[in-house]
Amino acid sequence: NAGVMQNPRHLVRRRGQEARLRCSPMKGHSHVYWYRQLPEEGLKFMVYLQKENIIDESGMPKERFSAEFPKEGPSILRIQQVVRGDSAAYFCASSPRGTSGGAGNEQFFGPGTRLTVL
Amino acid sequence: AQRVTQPEKLLSVFKGAPVELKCNYSYSGSPELFWYVQYSRQRLQLLLRHISRESIKGFTADLNKGETSFHLKKPFAQEEDSAMYYCALSGGSGGSNYKLTFGKGTLLTVNP
Repeated sequence: NAGVMQNPRHLVRRRGQEARLRCSPMKGHSHVYWYRQLPEEGLKFMVYLQKENIIDESGMPKERFSAEFPKEGPSILRIQQVVRGDSAAYFCASSPRGTSGGAGNEQFFGPGTRLTVL
Repeated sequence: AQRVTQPEKLLSVFKGAPVELKCNYSYSGSPELFWYVQYSRQRLQLLLRHISRESIKGFTADLNKGETSFHLKKPFAQEEDSAMYYCALSGGSGGSNYKLTFGKGTLLTVNP
């Protein structure tokens, strides 16, 4: 099991461009979470998705940010018209179960995508 | 609102010395607490969780609800323990237990 995969690992965009970040969960995991880490900060929850469903997007900025997890393929975090303040590390995690909690519901993290907006 | 505070950004100890990484939390309910670790050039991984009451790699952490703390301890630090450590909280069985709230992290350096 290769673990959670994220690509690209590094992404450079100019202000106003779009950024697409991809996340492939671990095999057998159908729950995906996105977190953002601004410089000198801890990871902050953005969104929780299951296949074809957004369960909780309470941590997503209201504008320019969207996420999806289609039936086939990776989860995508999309940032439109990027600004310098979007520069951060974006982490994806997956788990075999979602809200049931307890042991065995560990979130496994990917290596992250470091977005730099020029 | 839930919050996790790690007061030390950097912590440096010598090999064989005891180490304690501090974590305090704020949450109105029964949270679940975790310690995550990120070794150099590796991804974030779960070290331990309070409900398991385990000792992992010699580390232990006790949830103190009175002091709202979840400090990570190891009696004899090793050089391979050098890493970034994050304390995290989730809502437990009664809340949004998938939503992890992280502290800012403590960079532990164990000197030879």
